[in-house]
Amino acid sequence: DAGVIQSPRHEVTEMGQEVTLRCKPISGHNSLFWYRQTMMRGLELLIYFNNNVPIDDSGMPEDRFSAKMPNASFSTLKIQPSEPRDSAVYFCASQPGNGRAVDIQYFGAGTRLSVL
Amino acid sequence: DAKTTQPPSMDCAEGRAANLPCNHSTISGNEYVYWYRQIHSQGPQYIIHGLKNNETNEMASLIITEDRKSSTLILPHATLRDTAVYYCIVRGGRDDKIIFGKGTRLHILP
Repeated sequence: DAGVIQSPRHEVTEMGQEVTLRCKPISGHNSLFWYRQTMMRGLELLIYFNNNVPIDDSGMPEDRFSAKMPNASFSTLKIQPSEPRDSAVYFCASQPGNGRAVDIQYFGAGTRLSVL
Repeated sequence: DAKTTQPPSMDCAEGRAANLPCNHSTISGNEYVYWYRQIHSQGPQYIIHGLKNNETNEMASLIITEDRKSSTLILPHATLRDTAVYYCIVRGGRDDKIIFGKGTRLHILP
């Protein structure tokens, strides 16, 4: 398997523009996670899905952020409108899920977002 | 909030064993200890996990104290490629979420 695939790897945009980050989880994994990493706040969980259903979005910073998982092999994280403080590295991760006692998350390479 | 406490940074000479400590004094009976690491600009990578017993795999060993309030990750022969931030995480058996703390930044010295 190719692992968790994120695109684009780098995104530079101007304040006010819409940004869409994409993630393809490992085939057969039932849970998908979106994280944001900054120097100030470290690695933060934004939202996660089980079987394509959002379970916990308490980490989503505000209404400008939205995430969808239309099927088991694809998820998007959208920021609209984007602001300079959204500049960060965004990671997607997936895990087998289904309530296992031990579960391991596999992370993508991340998308580095710069909002000017 | 993260349920673990780790030193912010450590140094280790190349070729020596790197011993990374972690305190998790409030761990409960069904919670596992996981270790991940993040090499610069990459996504975090799973290393090892344990419940009560010591564990070893091809990457590292995990030593958990008998009272389970602390643990140590051991990299037996550290190389420059082991330079990374190492995260110790406590996670319940049915919890999906991982809460990352600040981790330990390990510097391997040539």
